[in-house]
Amino acid sequence: EAQVTQNPRYLITVTGKKLTVTCSQNMNHEYMSWYRQDPGLGLRQIYYSMNVEVTDKGDVPEGYKVSRKEKRNFPLILESPSPNQTSLYFCASTFSSGGSYEQYFGPGTRLTVT
Amino acid sequence: QKEVEQDPGPLSVPEGAIVSLNCTYSNSAFQYFMWYRQYSRKGPELLMYTYSSGNKEDGRFTAQVDKSSKYISLFIRDSQPSDSATYLCASHTGGFKTIFGAGTRLFVKA
Repeated sequence: EAQVTQNPRYLITVTGKKLTVTCSQNMNHEYMSWYRQDPGLGLRQIYYSMNVEVTDKGDVPEGYKVSRKEKRNFPLILESPSPNQTSLYFCASTFSSGGSYEQYFGPGTRLTVT
Repeated sequence: QKEVEQDPGPLSVPEGAIVSLNCTYSNSAFQYFMWYRQYSRKGPELLMYTYSSGNKEDGRFTAQVDKSSKYISLFIRDSQPSDSATYLCASHTGGFKTIFGAGTRLFVKA
């Protein structure tokens, strides 16, 4: 079964305490992305990765880091979280080739920074 | 101006109605156009994907892209209460830097 997993699903933390949200996919997809979703703003892309060791900034990368050391994993790192990073975060995994396009999102991570 | 604009609704229709959801975009370089459905407390689910202009049909869903007017549409025929969700449009140029609309909330009343 195609699956994107995220952990943790819920996290409450304090300003400045480094955290990592993990994302893993089992489909051998090359492309992976991180998004945040805020009311009235829709989904905004934070970072994306087109392959191992290849990452690029999305629309709202400030305050976030990512790494892609293995194809299946794409962790999101907040080195010094701030309250404006309180949001719902989604990881996505994408396959695109020759007219075929498939994409799966994880279940989301609800982060609260106090 | 946002690169992808979408009316947030809500849109309320009776069961069986044809639903029309729309987005406009401003970036002429966009080549890939997607529609997603998102139920409450769930991740988005890819519904339709279109490359460049034209129509694409999948069951009760039809996606339409008009690049001359920079207009993206999703039509749902014979709408069902289970179609009640938020629908998001999105676009990218092929480099995977993806821009989403704000989403339209749809309610289908039984």
